[in-house]
Amino acid sequence: GAVVSQHPSWVICKSGTSVKIECRSLDFQATTMFWYRQFPKQSLMLMATSNEGSKATYEQGVEKDKFLINHASLTLSTLTVTSAHPEDSSFYICSAQDRGYYEQYFGPGTRLTVT
Amino acid sequence: TQLLEQSPQFLSIQEGENLTVYCNSSSVFSSLQWYRQEPGEGPVLLVTVVTGGEVKKLKRLTFQFGDARKDSSLHITAAQPGDTGLYLCAGADNQFYFGTGTSLTVIP
Repeated sequence: GAVVSQHPSWVICKSGTSVKIECRSLDFQATTMFWYRQFPKQSLMLMATSNEGSKATYEQGVEKDKFLINHASLTLSTLTVTSAHPEDSSFYICSAQDRGYYEQYFGPGTRLTVT
Repeated sequence: TQLLEQSPQFLSIQEGENLTVYCNSSSVFSSLQWYRQEPGEGPVLLVTVVTGGEVKKLKRLTFQFGDARKDSSLHITAAQPGDTGLYLCAGADNQFYFGTGTSLTVIP
């Protein structure tokens, strides 16, 4: 149980284009989903927290107009990187949490490369 | 901002050796999780501890939650190359806070 999928697993895009990453909880209802960014051999940097049906809460320094998050259902959240630039290249990971439980369950991550 | 400090940050050991990773904070958490992450993949939950002083074992891994619920340790006995990865602790109260991470390399 507690499986989270992410799609795509990797994507290469040109500078100025937008990229959408999907995060799905496959066998439980995720009342809360989290989006993280990670650099090599470093810990996770929380970008935003989203609850189903409400606007995402962004961490300080994260541009909400650049990183659009939609948590449209209890099993799906999307992150859209708009007008991507090379500095947005990174490993993006989502996680999902069921109501009343401590743990977060992570997706396999998406490697974004902006050329 | 609550900070969970992990030590050491990097660790490279020979197969068969023992090691301990520490996760320390000045804040009290209602629970603490340990994750392992392999390159190019998402973190995988290893264990959750919720009671001060609690000890949990997962094969060669032993996890301990401090009595005051501010710190935790992960001890690996007879490390194997398959243990290589990034180990992350995470504390939870009303929010979730990740530790700074420990990158472990076990050399065959």
